[in-house]
Amino acid sequence: DAGITQSPRYKITETGRQVTLMCHQTWSHSYMFWYRQDLGHGLRLIYYSAAADITDKGEVPDGYVVSRSKTENFPLTLESATRSQTSVYFCASSPGLNSGNTIYFGEGSWLTVV
Amino acid sequence: QKEVEQDPGPLSVPEGAIVSLNCTYSNSAFQYFMWYRQYSRKGPELLMYTYSSGNKEDGRFTAQVDKSSKYISLFIRDSQPSDSATYLCATTGANSKLTFGKGITLSVRP
Repeated sequence: DAGITQSPRYKITETGRQVTLMCHQTWSHSYMFWYRQDLGHGLRLIYYSAAADITDKGEVPDGYVVSRSKTENFPLTLESATRSQTSVYFCASSPGLNSGNTIYFGEGSWLTVV
Repeated sequence: QKEVEQDPGPLSVPEGAIVSLNCTYSNSAFQYFMWYRQYSRKGPELLMYTYSSGNKEDGRFTAQVDKSSKYISLFIRDSQPSDSATYLCATTGANSKLTFGKGITLSVRP
């Protein structure tokens, strides 16, 4: 059971480059999320999606683009990477946060922008 | 004021100690409460889940929610070195978006 997988796990890129972080889940969960985790800030929501073709901004969406053409995939694109986007990025999925459901995280993608 | 506030730590305790981790929240609409555990260089994983006020026990772990004071707690009894991790509280209402505390790093010394 693969669950939720992220790629790449580690990436170094240059300022101004476009970077795409991939996320794939095998549970057919409706909801998918992208968080970034930084020291002193904890986990912050970048974007989320309630279903295919439905996306919405989270707390820190600037500089990021998402799409969700298929239920199982939710890529996150940094259109022009900046040093402030150096972070650990976590993708997550959920069938919905009611009725005892919760959110499941991937292993993370470590991104360094130089 | 952030919606969920968590003591920043870090926290270091000797093996066998009782650990108390705490969070406060501001939105009275929150009704689902969770604790996640995150080991170094790993994704967070669900540790405890509670709905509304009350206690929930799972082995050495007890989650407690007091909605009247908007207070969330996690107690770890007989703490072990394997409990060394970052613990994050989280809560949500009906909109399926989790709001996390910043996390506290716990170290249990053998």
